[in-house]
Amino acid sequence: TQLLEQSPQFLSIQEGENLTVYCNSSSVFSSLQWYRQEPGEGPVLLVTVVTGGEVKKLKRLTFQFGDARKDSSLHITAAQPGDTGLYLCAGLYSGGGADGLTFGKGTHLIIQP
Amino acid sequence: KAGVTQTPRYLIKTRGQQVTLSCSPISGHRSVSWYQQTPGQGLQFLFEYFSETQRNKGNFPGRFSGRQFSNSRSEMNVSTLELGDSALYLCASSLIPSTDTQYFGPGTRLTVL
Repeated sequence: TQLLEQSPQFLSIQEGENLTVYCNSSSVFSSLQWYRQEPGEGPVLLVTVVTGGEVKKLKRLTFQFGDARKDSSLHITAAQPGDTGLYLCAGLYSGGGADGLTFGKGTHLIIQP
Repeated sequence: KAGVTQTPRYLIKTRGQQVTLSCSPISGHRSVSWYQQTPGQGLQFLFEYFSETQRNKGNFPGRFSGRQFSNSRSEMNVSTLELGDSALYLCASSLIPSTDTQYFGPGTRLTVL
């Protein structure tokens, strides 16, 4: 079983602060995705990273895939209340997609105005 | 292009009953995956269907089953409901199976009393 560990589980910060969320595994993933989920809705795909060491930016969000493709991070600059939500990392195991996407348990992020 | 739709959005059942959930994928998508989301376990893969055939199955008991129709719409069925089956059931569609690019529906919130 491939596991993705996310940290922190919960994070509450003030508007304007920066934050980083981590996603770690002992397994190698062929790709990693980051999703954001709001209450009562399904996860919405933010980004997919495929190449080890890859960095992708989406406005104030920066995503990085570890060189060994076992970990990833999400950095938010100048967080805003609209960034509040559950952030999930998910990976497609490099051994094949027989188990579907493997998800971390998520980071609950609250940005206070 | 319409997104993934799931019906019903909310469902309340009692122990021992059975339930059927429906998912209509994005037009043109032929692969449908189902996930169970609970606060304790996060998102867990149930099964994946492609061209009316179950390709992969997660580690869930046989009470959980599904099928896919020729128009790619999918249903999942849970028989002999248990309290622990209370969860958000998410459907995701994709163009091809076992891919990292999956688009999620809003989910069906099942409560078992």
